[in-house]
Amino acid sequence: KNQVEQSPQSLIILEGKNCTLQCNYTVSPFSNLRWYKQDTGRGPVSLTIMTFSENTKSNGRYTATLDADTKQSSLHITASQLSDSASYICVVSAIGSGAGSYQLTFGKGTKLSVIP
Amino acid sequence: DSGVTQTPKHLITATGQRVTLRCSPRSGDLSVYWYQQSLDQGLQFLIHYYNGEERAKGNILERFSAQQFPDLHSELNLSSLELGDSALYFCASSASSSSGGGGYTFGSGTRLTVV
Repeated sequence: KNQVEQSPQSLIILEGKNCTLQCNYTVSPFSNLRWYKQDTGRGPVSLTIMTFSENTKSNGRYTATLDADTKQSSLHITASQLSDSASYICVVSAIGSGAGSYQLTFGKGTKLSVIP
Repeated sequence: DSGVTQTPKHLITATGQRVTLRCSPRSGDLSVYWYQQSLDQGLQFLIHYYNGEERAKGNILERFSAQQFPDLHSELNLSSLELGDSALYFCASSASSSSGGGGYTFGSGTRLTVV
């Protein structure tokens, strides 16, 4: 069964500090992995997408890593800001059996609170 | 504004009732996806339509149905509502028929409260 586990469930950090969120998956066959940021009551917004051959990708202060061997990904946030307070969701895509088919598995997210 | 429009933003209804949620995809996008997010739960994929045809089905209850119209807007119909159906319902759209990696844009959601 495809699964995506995120840790920690929640995290509180001081403004300006760095943090790292984890995503472990057992999705197969792997297609790609995305990190989304979801503000409370809003739709998720894509931060990064990583395919099998990529192990690091940055988007401003956000840097995602992928280790396809250990099936782990992390999202590192540098110099956190109050606006980073949100849920961060890891989504892993598996290639489906039919042509062009796929299956998405969502993690439950990590709720990050950045405090002054 | 993501370009994906969902209406209504909020909906309160009684158990046993039926409601329709509407989604207009981003201009040029042919795919529409529906998701349910219950309190403190992750996003649950419900269904995917591409250019009017159903492409993939997730954990969608038989009481729920959806369709995509020729103008590409989509409606999610929820019937015989139960208290447990209270959730945020998100629509997302993408240009391709098989985004594979969830490479799409989300709307701001419809918050459904069943009382």
